[in-house]
Amino acid sequence: DAGVTQSPTHLIKTRGQQVTLRCSPKSGHDTVSWYQQALGQGPQFIFQYYEEEERQRGNFPDRFSGHQFPNYSSELNVNALLLGDSALYLCASSRRLVRPFYNEQFFGPGTRLTVL
Amino acid sequence: GENVEQHPSTLSVQEGDSAVIKCTYSDSASNYFPWYKQELGKRPQLIIDIRSNVGEKKDQRIAVTLNKTAKHFSLHITETQPEDSAVYFCALGDSGGYQKVTFGTGTKLQVIP
Repeated sequence: DAGVTQSPTHLIKTRGQQVTLRCSPKSGHDTVSWYQQALGQGPQFIFQYYEEEERQRGNFPDRFSGHQFPNYSSELNVNALLLGDSALYLCASSRRLVRPFYNEQFFGPGTRLTVL
Repeated sequence: GENVEQHPSTLSVQEGDSAVIKCTYSDSASNYFPWYKQELGKRPQLIIDIRSNVGEKKDQRIAVTLNKTAKHFSLHITETQPEDSAVYFCALGDSGGYQKVTFGTGTKLQVIP
């Protein structure tokens, strides 16, 4: 079992460009969440996908969008990049259980995005 | 929305001593409280979690306590070792039923040999 994988590892873009980050969840997991972690801060929730739909969203603008595919993998797209978008982008996968139960979220290694 | 405050932001202890990190939260409906350890340049990893129907949970040198009335929970690490040095995040599980996790601001723990 490869665990959660993300690609690419590092990425450098310029302001105004668009970027797509990819995530493959751990085997058996059906839910993918994306987080942004700025340097020296805790991860901030961007959104979560389950059954190919966005189920919950954090306080991020519409420039951040995503997609989940039938095989549960996911993409994060960011348009019109700003300098402030520079961060580590983490993907986490889990197996969704009905409330009030939770399953552990497993994080991928992250994609380091630098916007110049 | 959910809010979680974490203290202290940095903590230095001598090897073998105990370390305690405390978090407070505002959403009384929160019912899942995980703790993550993140080493430099690596991904966050779950080290222990507690659910609202349990007041304390222990796993070897790590323990977490929860006080739902006071809305705070704490991480206790005993007999600290240099490999415990990392940033520790407390977090809240979303009370709405999905698995959104809200992270605290982090505590940088340094264990001095």
